[in-house]
Amino acid sequence: DADVTQTPRNRITKTGKRIMLECSQTKGHDRMYWYRQDPGLGLRLIYYSFDVKDINKGEISDGYSVSRQAQAKFSLSLESAIPNQTALYFCATSGIGTSKERNEQFFGPGTRLTVL
Amino acid sequence: AQTVTQSQPEMSVQEAETVTLSCTYDTSESDYYLFWYKQPPSRQMILVIRQEAYKQQNATENRFSVNFQKAAKSFSLKISDSQLGDAAMYFCAYRSGGGSEKLVFGKGMKLTVNP
Repeated sequence: DADVTQTPRNRITKTGKRIMLECSQTKGHDRMYWYRQDPGLGLRLIYYSFDVKDINKGEISDGYSVSRQAQAKFSLSLESAIPNQTALYFCATSGIGTSKERNEQFFGPGTRLTVL
Repeated sequence: AQTVTQSQPEMSVQEAETVTLSCTYDTSESDYYLFWYKQPPSRQMILVIRQEAYKQQNATENRFSVNFQKAAKSFSLKISDSQLGDAAMYFCAYRSGGGSEKLVFGKGMKLTVNP
C-alpha cells in the first residue's frame, strides 16, 4: 500500500466551483506539504504544515486554503477555481524517520486538476 | 531567497552511454541539502540521490552519482550505463538545513534514452 495517497487522482471542474484535494499518509510523519507543478516551471510550494496546529504559506498560496485535520491528513481547497489553477498537484511528507529517510520528502502520486 | 537553475530543458542519450545533467543554485546559507528527483510518465516523484552540503564526498547510488562543487554552487547528476527506464523528467531541488524544510525546485529537464 502507498505511504502517501491523494484523492482524487484526476478531476475536471468548472470555473467558480469549490474543490478539495485530499492527502493522507501512513508514514507517521508530522510535516506535510502541497506543491503545484506546471509545465516548464517545476514544482512550487503552496502551503506546508509542521503539525496539526501549524499552517504556513508557501510561495504561491493566493487562491488556495488548507486544513490539517489530523497528523495524517492535509487537504488543499480551491474556494473558487479558475482556469490558471489547472495543474498537477502533489502532496508530500517528511519527518524524522530512519536515518536514511531523514531530510527526505516523500511524494504522493499527484492529482491532475483541470479547470474549464 | 534560494534559486535553482536547470539550464538544459532537454537532453538525449544512447542506451548504455553516460549522460550528465547540470544544476546550479544560489544561496547564502552554509547548511543545506541538494536532491535529484526523477519523474517518469507515471508522474510519480522519485528521489534519485541526495547530497548534504557539509559532506565533501560526492553521493553515489548505483548508476547515479553527483558532482557537487560547493564553491561553484553546482550540483550535476551523472547517469552511467543509461537504460530505457531512465527516460523521465529530472528535477534538481534545494532544501535549507534548518527551519522550514521547504524544497525549492528547478524547472526540470526531460531526458530521452534512445535504444
